[in-house]
Amino acid sequence: DAGVTQSPTHLIKTRGQHVTLRCSPISGHKSVSWYQQVLGQGPQFIFQYYEKEERGRGNFPDRFSARQFPNYSSELNVNALLLGDSALYLCASSHTWNSPLHFGNGTRLTVT
Amino acid sequence: AQTVTQSQPEMSVQEAETVTLSCTYDTSESDYYLFWYKQPPSRQMILVIRQEAYKQQNATENRFSVNFQKAAKSFSLKISDSQLGDAAMYFCAYRSPYPVSGGGADGLTFGKGTHLIIQP
Repeated sequence: DAGVTQSPTHLIKTRGQHVTLRCSPISGHKSVSWYQQVLGQGPQFIFQYYEKEERGRGNFPDRFSARQFPNYSSELNVNALLLGDSALYLCASSHTWNSPLHFGNGTRLTVT
Repeated sequence: AQTVTQSQPEMSVQEAETVTLSCTYDTSESDYYLFWYKQPPSRQMILVIRQEAYKQQNATENRFSVNFQKAAKSFSLKISDSQLGDAAMYFCAYRSPYPVSGGGADGLTFGKGTHLIIQP
């Protein structure tokens, strides 16, 4: 079975632009979570979606939003990009909202 | 809010030796989950081992085992017979078992990580 897939792998954007990151969960998994990992730090929780509803939100500004589609794939959107948004964005899926997480390889976002 | 602290930014061990990575956490909850994740240069976070706080028995997975001290809020990872493929960043993480509505976070709280180097 395919693991969690994220696209694109790398992305370069300019300050003020908008970005959309995509994630496909493992088949059968109904929960998707997003994490931001700044260089040299551990990942920080952004959102969790389960059965297409937001189940949790970390301490991130409203510029960050996400959604989950009927096929359980997910998008993370970031508006008005700042230099500090440069990071590795990790997506993880799980069977239910509290099952062990399976992570993708991440999207490396660079904001210039 | 829960916090997770990994006090060793980097550890080095000879191949085939044993190494222990430290992790402490702070929480007011009595029930929770603790995890160790491995992140190789490929960037993918890989679950190494999981411990439920209500279980007194320490979790083990082949060469990986934990020393869970609930009263001390300590959760160390022991890697036996270290192999070159064990080289990676290791992250300790905490998760509440209960859903939090509204602005609360259901997600994992990670430490800053320990870079493990395996010397051949």
